[in-house]
Amino acid sequence: GDSVTQMEGPVTLSEEAFLTINCTYTATGYPSLFWYVQYPGEGLQLLLKATKADDKGSNKGFEATYRKETTSFHLEKGSVQVSDSAVYFCALSDNQGGSEKLVFGKGTKLTVNP
Amino acid sequence: SQTIHQWPATLVQPVGSPLSLECTVEGTSNPNLYWYRQAAGRGLQLLFYSVGIGQISSEVPQNLSASRPQDRQFILSSKKLLLSDSGFYLCAWARSMNTEAFFGQGTRLTVV
Repeated sequence: GDSVTQMEGPVTLSEEAFLTINCTYTATGYPSLFWYVQYPGEGLQLLLKATKADDKGSNKGFEATYRKETTSFHLEKGSVQVSDSAVYFCALSDNQGGSEKLVFGKGTKLTVNP
Repeated sequence: SQTIHQWPATLVQPVGSPLSLECTVEGTSNPNLYWYRQAAGRGLQLLFYSVGIGQISSEVPQNLSASRPQDRQFILSSKKLLLSDSGFYLCAWARSMNTEAFFGQGTRLTVV
């Protein structure tokens, strides 16, 4: 079945460091891929998405490229800020027999120190 | 604009009692609807999803069931709660598999 595996956290970085959070997926169809973010005390919100192979999603300095050959959608940011401290979830959406499911990874907690 | 309502926010129920959590969406039609349980270290576990009235898909066998009696209403139920049903339950909706999902505020369920 469909599943998402993302790197275990927590991740702690200093401000202006480079960030990579790995995400790989297993899907039976042609999924769309997402990164969601949950800031402290808030609900989940979409960070970026890609709906087909080789697409790059980007938002707020974050980027992720849909790599079908490696079934990956790694999240990157060149220079993190304290305000990026949050939990990041990789997710996929897939159509199976007419039902559209949305599956999330376990989340990676990021802490950025000044 | 579209909104999602989920209630109650918190619930304490004895073991063996029934459960009914309700989720409604406003401002859209024929949404995809989802129920998740969020636990620390386990992320969001997909429980049920639905693409239309009466169409329910179950992801994980468990003590829970879901129903969609109306287009924009999604109900999570149990006939007899177990201690292990305690957790934080989230409802979400999306227009399609390629679009953003929007989440309710969640229900903190404690089974005692």
